[in-house]
Amino acid sequence: GIQVEQSPPDLILQEGANSTLRCNFSDSVNNLQWFHQNPWGQLINLFYIPSGTKQNGRLSATTVATERYSLLYISSSQTTDSGVYFCAVEDTGGFKTIFGAGTRLFVKA
Amino acid sequence: KAGVTQTPRYLIKTRGQQVTLSCSPISGHRSVSWYQQTPGQGLQFLFEYFSETQRNKGNFPGRFSGRQFSNSRSEMNVSTLELGDSALYLCASSSILSGANVLTFGAGSRLTVL
Repeated sequence: GIQVEQSPPDLILQEGANSTLRCNFSDSVNNLQWFHQNPWGQLINLFYIPSGTKQNGRLSATTVATERYSLLYISSSQTTDSGVYFCAVEDTGGFKTIFGAGTRLFVKA
Repeated sequence: KAGVTQTPRYLIKTRGQQVTLSCSPISGHRSVSWYQQTPGQGLQFLFEYFSETQRNKGNFPGRFSGRQFSNSRSEMNVSTLELGDSALYLCASSSILSGANVLTFGAGSRLTVL
């Protein structure tokens, strides 16, 4: 089955710093989503981005489907950005979403 | 619009028992999928339902089962619980009307097996 790899696994930032999180996937996918999981376990959808670039405030994401990777950019990080960021893809067989292992981010005040 | 509702939020069971978890999707969403999250295995896909039909399932033993009702609400059941079934069980719903299968997750059901 499709493999999803995220890097780095852990990231510590000083408040105000920028960061780039990467997601590589091993095969063609129907779609790709980025999620943020807060300390209470709630998963929040950040982007639905099967291809191209999107921006939402301090966050932006780019997916290059032909090269099988996606990037999540966080600018001017805040302590509330802490948590785990997951990349998830739906394989071309449909109806099955595979998650990467996540990037655990801690933003220090 | 109400979000995805999962019940119960927390529960404790003992080995050998069985458990049923419930998921009410966002109104109008007809697809419901389930995931198991553990520290060791991460987030793993369990199964997906649409219009009461299971369209795909993950690599879990037959002790894990699910179903979807005509109102799109879904339940999952785990029989003969094992210690390793302790996990956060997450449910997501989605609507493909826009052509995009965007998942919206509930808060999860945290199961502890003693």
